[in-house]
Amino acid sequence: AQSVTQLGSHVSVSEGALVLLRCNYSSSVPPYLFWYVQYPNQGLQLLLKYTTGATLVKGINGFEAEFKKSETSFHLTKPSAHMSDAAEYFCAVSPTSGTYKYIFGTGTRLKVLA
Amino acid sequence: DTGVSQDPRHKITKRGQNVTFRCDPISEHNRLYWYRQTLGQGPEFLTYFQNEAQLEKSRLLSDRFSAERPKGSFSTLEIQRTEQGDSAMYLCASSSQGAGELFFGEGSRLTVL
Repeated sequence: AQSVTQLGSHVSVSEGALVLLRCNYSSSVPPYLFWYVQYPNQGLQLLLKYTTGATLVKGINGFEAEFKKSETSFHLTKPSAHMSDAAEYFCAVSPTSGTYKYIFGTGTRLKVLA
Repeated sequence: DTGVSQDPRHKITKRGQNVTFRCDPISEHNRLYWYRQTLGQGPEFLTYFQNEAQLEKSRLLSDRFSAERPKGSFSTLEIQRTEQGDSAMYLCASSSQGAGELFFGEGSRLTVL
């Protein structure tokens, strides 16, 4: 079975500061890993994904994440927060075959302070 | 490519009524998923179609819920005899074979009074 834990349901950062959103996963087989962003009353938009290959993954809007197998982590970072980054962020894990059914974390709401 | 579209975006209904949501996936995608999202939670898997075949259903999908995907194109999710606990955002997603990436619609928000 697979599961995802996102530490911190709410994170506040100042504009221009480093953004770090934490995600740990549990999986009996090597997974695919994803980060999605959700703005109010909207669907989920893919930020980045790890499937195979390079463990440091770059996504849209300056975000990146590093797959660390030994730590079972896939933390999301951005060097400098922008006001437009305020949203809810979801980490997800899926198997690498079969249904590709995503299991989502409970989300982290990012607040950016002026 | 117009993306995944869902209809209606919002639905308010009284307890005990039936509701139906429609999802039109990206045209070349053969995989279609329904998720449910409640306030403060991540999306929870409900069901999965590959073409017209419903291959997996979550235990969250009670007997009052039914989903179809006739001809492997659009999909419908029907909830019969709605309860207040059914109030949630219902998200549809699609993907192509083997891609692993899901593309989500903007969701259908259900409020049961």
